[in-house]
Amino acid sequence: DGGITQSPKYLFRKEGQNVTLSCEQNLNHDAMYWYRQDPGQGLRLIYYSQIVNDFQKGDIAEGYSVSREKKESFPLTVTSAQKNPTAFYLCASRAGNTGELFFGEGSRLTVL
Amino acid sequence: DQQVKQNSPSLSVQEGRISILNCDYTNSMFDYFLWYKKYPAEGPTFLISISSIKDKNEDGRFTVFLNKSAKHLSLHIVPSQPGDSAVYFCAASTGGSGGSNYKLTFGKGTLLTVNP
Repeated sequence: DGGITQSPKYLFRKEGQNVTLSCEQNLNHDAMYWYRQDPGQGLRLIYYSQIVNDFQKGDIAEGYSVSREKKESFPLTVTSAQKNPTAFYLCASRAGNTGELFFGEGSRLTVL
Repeated sequence: DQQVKQNSPSLSVQEGRISILNCDYTNSMFDYFLWYKKYPAEGPTFLISISSIKDKNEDGRFTVFLNKSAKHLSLHIVPSQPGDSAVYFCAASTGGSGGSNYKLTFGKGTLLTVNP
């Protein structure tokens, strides 16, 4: 079945460690997105990519990095520079001529 | 500054009645609006959308109304069912339903509880 796969679903890390969250899609979508959800904060955009080898910062990009070497993959690295990394992270993709984003199941990161 | 606002954190309704979820926006450049439904520990799922050239869009039990002059939209669910209990997010974008540099700005969500 086509869809978006995020891994891991749950992740625990010590403070100061970099963490990479995986996002893979087999929908043949051009655009991919990373959002962060915190309690009472809604979804906030971290990074997005419209095509391979290109990406743009969202509203809260500080402390994060991404790459887009393949159409199917858009990994997110949460660096030690991110002051409040504990959150629920959501990856999404979009077909080129539609407005609907398809979301993965999310990854919950807890920094101890 | 929050551009998409959902001022009611929660809403409780009885099964079979109407649920009305509201959303306000401040950016007059927004021209495409969507509603998403989200269960805990899952990704949001798309419900319904509306373009700024329309003032109403209907899909089964779900209807979205757009009042551009008031910068307000609402989602009506009739009749409400217990399975509708979830967090509902309003989202908006500029550049229509899929131009370059397309991105969605979300509200903070409203938790809907439908009581049997």
